[in-house]
Amino acid sequence: DAKTTQPNSMESNEEEPVHLPCNHSTISGTDYIHWYRQLPSQGPEYVIHGLTSNVNNRMASLAIAEDRKSSTLILHRATLRDAAVYYCILRAHNTGGFKTIFGAGTRLFVKA
Amino acid sequence: DAGVIQSPRHEVTEMGQEVTLRCKPISGHDYLFWYRQTMMRGLELLIYFNNNVPIDDSGMPEDRFSAKMPNASFSTLKIQPSEPRDSAVYFCASSLRGSGLGTQYFGPGTRLTVL
Repeated sequence: DAKTTQPNSMESNEEEPVHLPCNHSTISGTDYIHWYRQLPSQGPEYVIHGLTSNVNNRMASLAIAEDRKSSTLILHRATLRDAAVYYCILRAHNTGGFKTIFGAGTRLFVKA
Repeated sequence: DAGVIQSPRHEVTEMGQEVTLRCKPISGHDYLFWYRQTMMRGLELLIYFNNNVPIDDSGMPEDRFSAKMPNASFSTLKIQPSEPRDSAVYFCASSLRGSGLGTQYFGPGTRLTVL
């Protein structure tokens, strides 16, 4: 199964952009790239996902490398409420179903 | 919608006891997932269902664990007998098949402590 690699932690200043990287060098053609985040004492929540093209939504942007072996989650203006663990996930739809493989995640610290 | 509902939120039990965790997915969702989260192993997918049918249970750690989904609005994860190493936060999530394989909506989790 394809896996992801993320830095253990990152730090950002409030109201500055944050770029969270994820490496997935063994990604297959059917793998979608999903990002979730987990706030303290809560379940993970969806942030964004993509397949090949860059994606934007109200929460963040997702930049996907042309070879799809890496991606970057971009928070345009970090707030204190963005402090969380961010997971880069590959979701593959194999024959018979699909699996979700969570990486170790990046803990984002946001300084006021 | 109330979101994914899990009960109980906290469970403390003694080794050897049976534990049943419950989940009510979001109405209309056709996929249901059970995850376990520990400090050592992170977030692990245990099993998932599609239209109430178990599709992949390869993440279930051993025979002591079982999961059922008798109908579209209810699922259980049972541990019998429980062991201290089962202590973890158990999350249930549901999704609707769609573009990008569907966003998963997680419940608040059940924190299980086995003494």
